Amino acid sequence: DTGVSQDPRHKITKRGQNVTFRCDPISEHNRLYWYRQTLGQGPEFLTYFQNEAQLEKSRLLSDRFSAERPKGSFSTLEIQRTEQGDSAMYLCASSRGHGREDYNEQFFGPGTRLTVL
Amino acid sequence: DQQVKQNSPSLSVQEGRISILNCDYTNSMFDYFLWYKKYPAEGPTFLISISSIKDKNEDGRFTVFLNKSAKHLSLHIVPSQPGDSAVYFCASNAGGTSYGKLTFGQGTILTVHP
Repeated sequence: DTGVSQDPRHKITKRGQNVTFRCDPISEHNRLYWYRQTLGQGPEFLTYFQNEAQLEKSRLLSDRFSAERPKGSFSTLEIQRTEQGDSAMYLCASSRGHGREDYNEQFFGPGTRLTVL
Repeated sequence: DQQVKQNSPSLSVQEGRISILNCDYTNSMFDYFLWYKKYPAEGPTFLISISSIKDKNEDGRFTVFLNKSAKHLSLHIVPSQPGDSAVYFCASNAGGTSYGKLTFGQGTILTVHP
């Protein structure tokens, strides 16, 4: 198992376009998280899934953002009508879901860097 | 509202000496604390954690101290090695339905000089 993977690693788009990112978690992990990180800041929580169920969404996640995890394995994060303020690193993480320590020990992917022109 | 703060953007230490990274939090509901390390072009990796029922947790060269009354935690690295040079994030978590929802600080860039 090679860890959490994210695709693409970099995405440049024009304002107003839609973009979709993919995350493949560690196979036995049933929890999957999305975070956003801007320059000079730590990751900010966006949303998380337990298997295919989306359990919590941050208020940072406007209605232009949607995330899915249809079969409880990989996840996608879509941003519609992108804005320049959406430029950031989008990080995916996964964890086991058997207790507090497991939930918090999250394994992060390398991220997708989005640039909106 | 920055609930987790790392007030030192950077720290420079000589190899073999102690590195002390600090973190403050404001949310009294936080009861679980973690440190993550991040190298360039990689995602953060988990380093060490501590529950609020403890005031110290050790793992090899890494020790985390928690002062609940001051809402302060620190990470000690002894002895520091050049390979420890990275960005260090502290993170916190409240209980209940927020399990797994981590709130991160801004990060501290640690540079260990040979």
